[in-house]
Amino acid sequence: NAGVTQTPKFQVLKTGQSMTLQCAQDMNHEYMSWYRQDPGMGLRLIHYSVGAGITDQGEVPNGYNVSRSTTEDFPLRLLSAAPSQTSVYFCASSYGRGSRETQYFGPGTRLLVL
Amino acid sequence: SQQGEEDPQALSIQEGENATMNCSYKTSINNLQWYRQNSGRGLVHLILIRSNEREKHSGRLRVTLDTSKKSSSLLITASRAADTASYFCATPQTGANNLFFGTGTRLTVIP
Repeated sequence: NAGVTQTPKFQVLKTGQSMTLQCAQDMNHEYMSWYRQDPGMGLRLIHYSVGAGITDQGEVPNGYNVSRSTTEDFPLRLLSAAPSQTSVYFCASSYGRGSRETQYFGPGTRLLVL
Repeated sequence: SQQGEEDPQALSIQEGENATMNCSYKTSINNLQWYRQNSGRGLVHLILIRSNEREKHSGRLRVTLDTSKKSSSLLITASRAADTASYFCATPQTGANNLFFGTGTRLTVIP
């Protein structure tokens, strides 16, 4: 199994540009989530999904959209990039309810918004 | 906030010594998890301890949970240079599907 994969590994955007961060898992996990990690802030939850067709907001959802059309994929879209979205983004998945089960993390996407 | 907070923020020890990190949280939980993050990498799950457990072991790792004090500790025995990483505790948001992560303890093991 590849586990949780994320693409791209690194991206530079200009303010106002849009882009999609890709996340895929091959473990047949129902629960998937996106976090951002900033220095000294720990991980903050952006959006999560408890299954295909179901998504919900986390702690810091503004400026981001998600969709879950399949169990495997959970893309994160930045609608109009801002410098405040410069961060490292992690996708995670778990078999069951995210708060009760081990979460498996992808390697991360480093995003720089100029 | 229900976020767990680790203490200390940074810890530097010699190889072979034990390292202890602590986590405090604010609300009742049904489990607490510890993760490790090597520099530039994603988080890796270490241990999940449930609220009815007081202690759990995994190799050189020992985790304790004191629900009356709302605290947990992670002990790494006989540390190695490869243990150099950031360690995070994560607690579930009550009634929700999510985990809250603390800001982490940065451990440096000097060879």
